[in-house]
Amino acid sequence: QVQLVESGGGVVQPGGSLRLSCAASGFTFSSYGMHWVRQAPGKGLEWVAFIRYDGSNKYYADSVKGRFTISRDNSKNTLYLQMNSLRAEDTAVYYCAKVKYGDYVGFDPWGQGTLVTVSS
Amino acid sequence: EIVLTQSPGTLSLSPGERATLSCRASQSVSSSYLAWYQQKPGQAPRLLIYGASSRATGIPDRFSGSGSGTDFTLTISRLEPEDFAVYYCQQYGSSQFTFGPGTKVDIK
Repeated sequence: QVQLVESGGGVVQPGGSLRLSCAASGFTFSSYGMHWVRQAPGKGLEWVAFIRYDGSNKYYADSVKGRFTISRDNSKNTLYLQMNSLRAEDTAVYYCAKVKYGDYVGFDPWGQGTLVTVSS
Repeated sequence: EIVLTQSPGTLSLSPGERATLSCRASQSVSSSYLAWYQQKPGQAPRLLIYGASSRATGIPDRFSGSGSGTDFTLTISRLEPEDFAVYYCQQYGSSQFTFGPGTKVDIK
């Protein structure tokens, strides 16, 4: 079955950096676009970034543009999110999710999430 | 950026009742790119509906989606105890994906 497992979360000081990983299994990773979505404590869902199946297109939310970088290694079936210049408002559970089909249709399934806390 | 508004914010209903959730977009959305998700406390979201009206794999037929343009609806025909959760709509357009703020369906 399709499985997505995030890792790399933790506590980081404001201005610091962190890299999240999402290990994928159970499907042909290199054939699907992937997303990062976050959820601040007690809040709703916020889309963060998207990368096309081959890495040719990357889109970002305005709130993270210039600070976060999405990437993938199709040989390792792994998705990444490099987060720099972190702010308190970046504190959230970060989920990776697979595109259901095509380039932009649906987020399915989702990983279990990894918590990032930005605090001094 | 297309902004999604969901109403009501909270819907208090009893098991067996019908739930109607609304999602309104600030500008027209392609139906192909409108989806609905369910999230229970402490869990990741789950895709319910994609393409505005297609049920995802394993989703019971009591869940249905409809709408076009700027107005979309998620209907749960008869609420089961496991349906009490938060529901989000989501769209794609112009290289941006956005989620609505969510509707909480709780037990009356």
